[in-house]
Amino acid sequence: DVVLTQSPLSLPVTPGEPASISCRSSQSLLHSNGYNYLAWYLQKPGQSPQLLIYLGSNRASGVPDRFSGSGSRTDFILKISRVEAEDVGVYYCMQPLQIPVTFGQGTRLDI
Amino acid sequence: EVRLVESGGGLVQPGGSLRLSCAASGFTFGNYWMNWVRQAPGKGLEWVAQIKEDGSEKNYVDSVKGRFTISRDNAKNSVFLQMNSLRAEDTAVYYCTRPSSGAFDYWGQGSLVTVSS
Repeated sequence: DVVLTQSPLSLPVTPGEPASISCRSSQSLLHSNGYNYLAWYLQKPGQSPQLLIYLGSNRASGVPDRFSGSGSRTDFILKISRVEAEDVGVYYCMQPLQIPVTFGQGTRLDI
Repeated sequence: EVRLVESGGGLVQPGGSLRLSCAASGFTFGNYWMNWVRQAPGKGLEWVAQIKEDGSEKNYVDSVKGRFTISRDNAKNSVFLQMNSLRAEDTAVYYCTRPSSGAFDYWGQGSLVTVSS
């Protein structure tokens, strides 16, 4: 199975400051089509997960541009340029390239 | 507007069975694979199963193989998860999700399954 390792697991931040989360994969997520099959989600308290980034670096519809994704093959980063209060929750990376689909352990962002 | 609405959760004894349903609307259901993802209380996300557009291919996480069965009815825009031989460790919120462009872009609100005597 593909193991996704996130760091840090807990991220205290100050509003207005930047934040970044790392997701490291045990196997390359680069498909032969040139896309990296890595997605990022935010699960706000009491809610279902919501998609932030797909294919490594593409923002999902309606996602603020302060969120950005980068990386390739086995190393990926989610960056928030300026954290806002509404960004609190748990962030997960996910790979759908290989079965079983796997998720990272989650990173809790607190303000 | 895309909507996924799960139902069928509840309290069941160890060894019992439960069938989850997910009603989809707002998109051409028969054109998409569908997935189930679960989340145990206070824990992270775990993918459970997926089914191809026409139901001809199904995949499962090892921990549920032989106990859970995913199915779909494209005429009713619905996907199902039949869960047998339930264990305490199957206690979780079960989400129905739609994959698109290498991610799960829409999620339902979830259905809580509690396995306890």
